[in-house]
Amino acid sequence: QVQLQESGPGLVKPSETLSLTCAVSGGSLSNYYWTWIRQPPGKGLEWIGYIYYSGNTNYNPSLKSRVTISVDTSRNLFSLNLSSVTPADTAVYFCARVPMLRGAFSSFDFWGQGALVTVSS
Amino acid sequence: DIQMTQSPSSVSASVGDRVTITCRASQVINSWLAWYQQKPGKAPKLLIYAASSLQSGVPSRFGGSGSGTDFTLTISSLQPEDFATYYCQQANSFPWTFGQGTTVEIK
Repeated sequence: QVQLQESGPGLVKPSETLSLTCAVSGGSLSNYYWTWIRQPPGKGLEWIGYIYYSGNTNYNPSLKSRVTISVDTSRNLFSLNLSSVTPADTAVYFCARVPMLRGAFSSFDFWGQGALVTVSS
Repeated sequence: DIQMTQSPSSVSASVGDRVTITCRASQVINSWLAWYQQKPGKAPKLLIYAASSLQSGVPSRFGGSGSGTDFTLTISSLQPEDFATYYCQQANSFPWTFGQGTTVEIK
């Protein structure tokens, strides 16, 4: 059973960079896409972006100028950097796996438990 | 971006009731729709993918249907553990987007 675990600072100051890591266990990063999703407190879900194990990325245009997702296959983890954060970036950040179905993206099948990141001075 | 609109926003139901949640996409998304269940303080859990395929381990009382722009999640006989918030999500076009959620509450 694949398991994902987010880690990183729970408090980030405005204008700084939010950095989170997602460690994957019980399976390899290979041949899968991996993604980040966030959820502000009491609100809905927003897709941030994905990375393929080879390093190919795709980001939500609403965040593209501030987001970088990277992968480290030797350590079986991938990471999220979100720069120039504001209080509006306060959210629970989830990492998840993206399975393919008939050559197309279909859903997010395994999720981490989520990491609350608060942006405040 | 494709807008996903769920209805109702909330529903009150009793154990044993049949519950139906609808999700409408602002553009055709073929069958690339997934449904998730989220309980407070937990990550979403995949229930249905490709509009009607039941994820492994999910009880058969959950069912999905639809294609194009209109989709439905049905819980055939509501159980105590089903009280939660449900989200639809389209995977047809970037950026991937979610519905605003439907909360199933105890009547």
